[in-house]
Amino acid sequence: GAVVSQHPSRVICKSGTSVKIECRSLDFQATTMFWYRQFPKQSLMLMATSNEGSKATYEQGVEKDKFLINHASLTLSTLTVTSAHPEDSSFYICSARVGTVTNTGELFFGEGSRLTVL
Amino acid sequence: TQLLEQSPQFLSIQEGENLTVYCNSSSVFSSLQWYRQEPGEGPVLLVTVVTGGEVKKLKRLTFQFGDARKDSSLHITAAQPGDTGLYLCAGVRETSGSRLTFGEGTQLTVNP
Repeated sequence: GAVVSQHPSRVICKSGTSVKIECRSLDFQATTMFWYRQFPKQSLMLMATSNEGSKATYEQGVEKDKFLINHASLTLSTLTVTSAHPEDSSFYICSARVGTVTNTGELFFGEGSRLTVL
Repeated sequence: TQLLEQSPQFLSIQEGENLTVYCNSSSVFSSLQWYRQEPGEGPVLLVTVVTGGEVKKLKRLTFQFGDARKDSSLHITAAQPGDTGLYLCAGVRETSGSRLTFGEGTQLTVNP
């Protein structure tokens, strides 16, 4: 399957600092990437859809100024958690879809990034 | 309300037992996928089903898509400790374009 790589896999930061997480598609071009948040033993919660060359589309309840998304190229999307607080601690996962929007919707996921805010 | 209801949410069984995980909805899906996720990692795609009534097998795993394309099941035969993980169903509704909807997940633990 397609390969999606996420970095860093773990990050610990102090409250009030900003953290950037990168998501790269390694062997294909991803016009659209997705960012999810996951709490322990729970399903994935879609935060936003990242569109190459345009603004991200955020889900209801997700603060766009808090979670900045940039998709500057067809192989890279970044999520920046600004002024992080302990409640932002979570597992963040990106994914990308191979092919056009008319396909079966299969997603390939990154390895995830565990953010801990002290 | 959850668009895709997955059950059971938690399942703990002994090695060698069989199990079935269900994914149900009142909506029709043009496709449905099953993913497996291990702690600290991203989900990995197991299978995609697109045709009503379709059955796919992956070694000891059998996936079925309901005739009306509103539900799906995952059956594992002779479970092994290596099957432990979070199983997620996800689907693309016919009315939602390409947007993927996830179920709540089933946390499976297979004890040796």
